[in-house]
Amino acid sequence: ETGVTQTPRHLVMGMTNKKSLKCEQHLGHNAMYWYKQSAKKPLELMFVYNFKEQTENNSVPSRFSPECPNSSHLFLHLHTLQPEDSALYLCASSQHRGRINGYTFGSGTRLTVV
Amino acid sequence: SQQGEEDPQALSIQEGENATMNCSYKTSINNLQWYRQNSGRGLVHLILIRSNEREKHSGRLRVTLDTSKKSSSLLITASRAADTASYFCATDAGDQGAQKLVFGQGTRLTINP
Repeated sequence: ETGVTQTPRHLVMGMTNKKSLKCEQHLGHNAMYWYKQSAKKPLELMFVYNFKEQTENNSVPSRFSPECPNSSHLFLHLHTLQPEDSALYLCASSQHRGRINGYTFGSGTRLTVV
Repeated sequence: SQQGEEDPQALSIQEGENATMNCSYKTSINNLQWYRQNSGRGLVHLILIRSNEREKHSGRLRVTLDTSKKSSSLLITASRAADTASYFCATDAGDQGAQKLVFGQGTRLTINP
């Protein structure tokens, strides 16, 4: 366990479904992130939250909707996804900039859109 | 936009040999980090080197940074089968707010017993 927990580990959903990915950390980190990892592509930064406020939306389609109710929890709400959205979705957290020591990643949610 | 590019894309060596992976990037950075990923899992932070540092060690890992060439290398000495994984460099170019790491495509390292 890294200290960042993602659920579910695997998710298969139809294109008309609505589902949510959950990420939780109790490391005392202030920043949380969503990344998408597709085959043969670099990790793509999707969203950044710093002290619960969204500071980055990397041109992500509106069918992905993040939510950060507090510094320990991060959600990614999914609706009307496309097959090309199938990927490994990784959540990460980090300290504030004054104490940078890298990200802590969760194990990811393997999403398959059918 | 892609910042770090690793070289080679894949590397296969015998156990006990040293493995060297390289990373190039395009813009000025605050720090560069190396991560490891076992198949289908999350990434694990290995080492961070700041822009004013040239070399850093952690156990069997050695990282160098050349800001004039915008490049870094990761050396794993005395490799073990358990080192088989993908290795990514990531750069942090921001100066305020949260870190915002940009990752390369990674080097797939295979250690043959």
